[in-house]
Amino acid sequence: QITLKESGPTVVKPTQTLTLTCTFSGFSLTTHGVGVGWIRQPPGKALEWLALIYWDDDTRYTSSLNNKLAISKDTSKNQIVLTMTNLDPADTATYYCVHPSATGGPFEYWGQGILVTVSS
Amino acid sequence: DIVMTQSPDSLALSLGERATINCKSSQSVSSGSPNKNYLAWYHQKPGQPPKLLIYWASTRESGVPDRFSGSGSRTDFTLTISDLQPEDVGIYHCQQYYSTPTFGQGTKVEIK
Repeated sequence: QITLKESGPTVVKPTQTLTLTCTFSGFSLTTHGVGVGWIRQPPGKALEWLALIYWDDDTRYTSSLNNKLAISKDTSKNQIVLTMTNLDPADTATYYCVHPSATGGPFEYWGQGILVTVSS
Repeated sequence: DIVMTQSPDSLALSLGERATINCKSSQSVSSGSPNKNYLAWYHQKPGQPPKLLIYWASTRESGVPDRFSGSGSRTDFTLTISDLQPEDVGIYHCQQYYSTPTFGQGTKVEIK
């Protein structure tokens, strides 16, 4: 059974850096073809794909966030970490950890999400 | 990035009615021979993450009822719910995975 769970702060001040962790089980990020990533959803708005990291350390990012993002993995802990710098109230959103069941495929597995509010 | 546009933004139907949701991409999300359509549909209930319903534009995910069907190719796609049930309320999202993933703005389905 595949599960993903997000953790991190739920309130962050503007200009600060956000660090979110996704802890997963049921698969390994050392297996060829496997990837894990992040998608966010501002309240009442559309889903936005943010980043993905693959088994071979290949990383992909949305072009819309101008180098605000960094994604990394710790295979010994079955975790990935998303870092987002210089937060703005517009970054308030539910952040989901996601796992496509095939490389480059749709997102079959989702965590429950974590609501992060950016406010002073 | 490929822009995905859904229509309508919302719809309210009676139980048992047919729901039709459209999704248009700003460029083709199909390729290969035979043609593969890199288009997925998700259903999101309030307070929950989206759930994958359909991929490759028309392949139902395991366990998804057959009242859900997907069709279309290249830039125009449709999700049809043939017999609307109470548990079908929520927001439906289309997503292309032909290139950097992008989503439609979502379509809210309610029971009249």
